[in-house]
Amino acid sequence: SYELTQPPSVSVSPGQTARITCSGDALPKQYAYWYQQKPGQAPVLVIYKDSERPSGIPERFSGSSSGTTVTLTISGVQAEDEADYYCQSADSSGTHVVFGGGTKLTVL
Amino acid sequence: QVQLQESGPGLVKPSQTLSLTCTVSGGSISSGSYYWSWIRQPAGKGLEWIGRIYTSGSTNYNPSLKSRVTISVDTSKNQFSLKLSSVTAADTAVYYCARDQRALDPYGDYRGYYFDYWGQGTLVTVSS
Repeated sequence: SYELTQPPSVSVSPGQTARITCSGDALPKQYAYWYQQKPGQAPVLVIYKDSERPSGIPERFSGSSSGTTVTLTISGVQAEDEADYYCQSADSSGTHVVFGGGTKLTVL
Repeated sequence: QVQLQESGPGLVKPSQTLSLTCTVSGGSISSGSYYWSWIRQPAGKGLEWIGRIYTSGSTNYNPSLKSRVTISVDTSKNQFSLKLSSVTAADTAVYYCARDQRALDPYGDYRGYYFDYWGQGTLVTVSS
């Protein structure tokens, strides 16, 4: 079955830039999406269509795509950004949703 | 503002059928080109998509769960539902319902789906 691969954890100091990657063979064909999930809460969409930001999401969140890897970048990380981040895409058919395993962002 | 709320039993016995309902408020479940999905998350683990339904009744399911899953919709009640049969302890998880959008690229091709509104989630424990 199709998989998306994320690093289990990323750590940064406040004010620095955090980059979380997600790799998958179908990513050149399918868009990627990113969700932020804080403990006890439902996930929140922070990036859609590789690099679009929903209204209400701070400008420090951005997304990019290059071949089979997509990247979520958080510039000027704040303590409130500490959370789990999940990438999501679809298999090559575009029908079935797949999530990455999640990355825990720790703000030191 | 669209809101989704899951409801159903929090405890299900092994081998029985898990049944959950998602009630949509703030808009008609039939309006727009939206799909409606179920997603689950075992404690301390990642997200797993279960399946989706369109208001026409057409469905897509996760191949790994397809043999046990049924998703249905009741437009008159603005609700959609999940049934998962023959449950085991491995099905213990927080279950989320979500609004599902199909992503269109500038060339008019669809390139996947994403979830813009989520319910708060409901914990279902499978135990005797």
